[in-house]
Amino acid sequence: QVQLVQSGAEVKKPGASVKVSCKASGYTFIAYYMYWVRQAPGQGLEWMGLINPSGGSTTYAQKFQGRVTMTRDTSTSTVYMELSSLRSEDTAVYYCARGDCSSFTCWADYWGQGTLVTVSS
Amino acid sequence: SYVLTQPPSVSGAPGQTARITCGGDNIGSKSVHWYQQKPGQAPVLVVYDNNDRPSGIPARFSGSNSGNTATLTISRVGAGDEADYYCQVCDRSSEHWVFGGGTKLTVL
Repeated sequence: QVQLVQSGAEVKKPGASVKVSCKASGYTFIAYYMYWVRQAPGQGLEWMGLINPSGGSTTYAQKFQGRVTMTRDTSTSTVYMELSSLRSEDTAVYYCARGDCSSFTCWADYWGQGTLVTVSS
Repeated sequence: SYVLTQPPSVSGAPGQTARITCGGDNIGSKSVHWYQQKPGQAPVLVVYDNNDRPSGIPARFSGSNSGNTATLTISRVGAGDEADYYCQVCDRSSEHWVFGGGTKLTVL
């Protein structure tokens, strides 16, 4: 069965960086895009970007350009999301989600359990 | 950038039908996906590509999409359906996603 297992909660100071991992299992890792979505406390879902595990290409939301880096390790079927220059507004639960696509659209069919990142001085 | 608008809340009596809308400019030309999120849990896909259901999602969940409004319809609602629901579209050319602001479904 498809599983996405994320790393544990993090507490960071403003200005620091955080790196969240997402280990995939139960399917062919390179066959599906991986997306990152975050959710601030009491707020809605916010799309951050995606990585194609096959070649490593990435697409980021404009809001996070220059601050986010998504990478992958095909030997361990793991994707990573690193967010730098953290500020209090980055306090959120960060989710990885496997993307399934047709010719015209993509959606998230499996989600990780989420990783709480707290930014506080 | 593209904007999806959802009502903050919708309510329905047990056994009745609840409808959650998602508005967007000419959204009928796009494919819309819907997620259910219960408190403290990750989202779950309930409808994709306007009106397809993943395996394990009951037929009580259905979707439609036309003009400027997409709709998630939940028939015979029960307490287990209380959750936040989000619509989402994907621009395949840019690969960018957009989520609606979410709708809280309350079963009275």
